[in-house]
Amino acid sequence: AQKITQTQPGMFVQEKEAVTLDCTYDTSDPSYGLFWYKQPSSGEMIFLIYQGSYDQQNATEGRYSLNFQKARKSANLVISASQLGDSAMYFCAMREADYKLSFGAGTTVTVRA
Amino acid sequence: GAVVSQHPSRVICKSGTSVKIECRSLDFQATTMFWYRQFPKQSLMLMATSNEGSKATYEQGVEKDKFLINHASLTLSTLTVTSAHPEDSSFYICSAEPIGQANQPQHFGDGTRLSIL
Repeated sequence: AQKITQTQPGMFVQEKEAVTLDCTYDTSDPSYGLFWYKQPSSGEMIFLIYQGSYDQQNATEGRYSLNFQKARKSANLVISASQLGDSAMYFCAMREADYKLSFGAGTTVTVRA
Repeated sequence: GAVVSQHPSRVICKSGTSVKIECRSLDFQATTMFWYRQFPKQSLMLMATSNEGSKATYEQGVEKDKFLINHASLTLSTLTVTSAHPEDSSFYICSAEPIGQANQPQHFGDGTRLSIL
């Protein structure tokens, strides 16, 4: 079974608007970590935000926030005030007890001027 | 911040050549490094976990004799694609996890684009 599911292959967003990228996960580990990475066309993986399974509050990092709904096993990324430089592929990932990262299929975001 | 250097960034070579890719943590030590493979417009697929001082752990379906991994020190892991063929052409990317920082993100290298002619 897929551990990480990202159902949106591609999204368009207008500059300065917010966009939400969906991510659901599946694990039986009580302790796990959820990550979002950005991958521009050049290929490098840029860490955006982290949410631990025991964290009570939703993580925020600048324009990025993570909407963590543990009971629904979802960890959606919200990018506020989109910029042209936000155009990239975005991956949701989960780390379980074995420390391996499982990645979702990714969502391509295109920001329009 | 933590930096992982991956070299080379791009390789083009003939079929049958063996190619070595280095992954180096520049300002931290890592007992564990990971090697991923990514085809165009697809996700990262974990190939193997590189363990300093011991044998690598390969994911199901990854040929250990084809993809040789050596993790000789706490700052360096190498992936050698032996006798590469066109189907091995892909984007290879490594990551490293700092010792004792379980809740921190893995730090990725910039990747290597391998093209086998």
